[in-house]
Amino acid sequence: GNSVTQMEGPVTLSEEAFLTINCTYTATGYPSLFWYVQYPGEGLQLLLKATKADDKGSNKGFEATYRKETTSFHLEKGSVQVSDSAVYFCALFQHGSSNTGKLIFGQGTTLQVKP
Amino acid sequence: DAMVIQNPRYQVTQFGKPVTLSCSQTLNHNVMYWYQQKSSQAPKLLFHYYDKDFNNEADTPDNFQSRRPNTSFCFLDIRSPGLGDAAMYLCATSRDTTGGKLFFGSGTQLSVL
Repeated sequence: GNSVTQMEGPVTLSEEAFLTINCTYTATGYPSLFWYVQYPGEGLQLLLKATKADDKGSNKGFEATYRKETTSFHLEKGSVQVSDSAVYFCALFQHGSSNTGKLIFGQGTTLQVKP
Repeated sequence: DAMVIQNPRYQVTQFGKPVTLSCSQTLNHNVMYWYQQKSSQAPKLLFHYYDKDFNNEADTPDNFQSRRPNTSFCFLDIRSPGLGDAAMYLCATSRDTTGGKLFFGSGTQLSVL
């Protein structure tokens, strides 16, 4: 079945460092791909998405490119801030019949940014 | 301005004692989801409603049930909680089931004693 695998955390960086969080997926067809972020004490919220191969999703300085050849959707940011400390979830959307489409998540990667 | 509200934030129950978690939304979305998230694991979909149509995941235990009395509210009932059911329960909504953009509540952390 479809699945998502993320790099294990926690990832600890100093402020202004470069961030990469790896995400790979297994799927039939070409699903839409997503990054969700969960700040402390809050629910998950959509960070960015890409719907087809070679698309780049971007938001708040974060970017991820849909790579069909490597089945990857790595999250990157050039200069992280303390406020980026959160848990990041990679996900794919699995289409289904009769309103049964659903998101499948990776296990999440905790990012800690130190001043 | 909370759009998906889950109550309570923390819930403690006893082994085998039925418990109900609640979720409400102000977005008027058609779809409401319940996910179970255990520590350091991926959120796992239990079931979802498209309007009044209930869709149960194949591997969701019978111990878990859900009700959606109207568009705004959805409940998760755990009939006989076991220690393994301790987890964060996430409610989410979406306009439809085609796009993958979900709006999440803050979750209810369930402890089973």
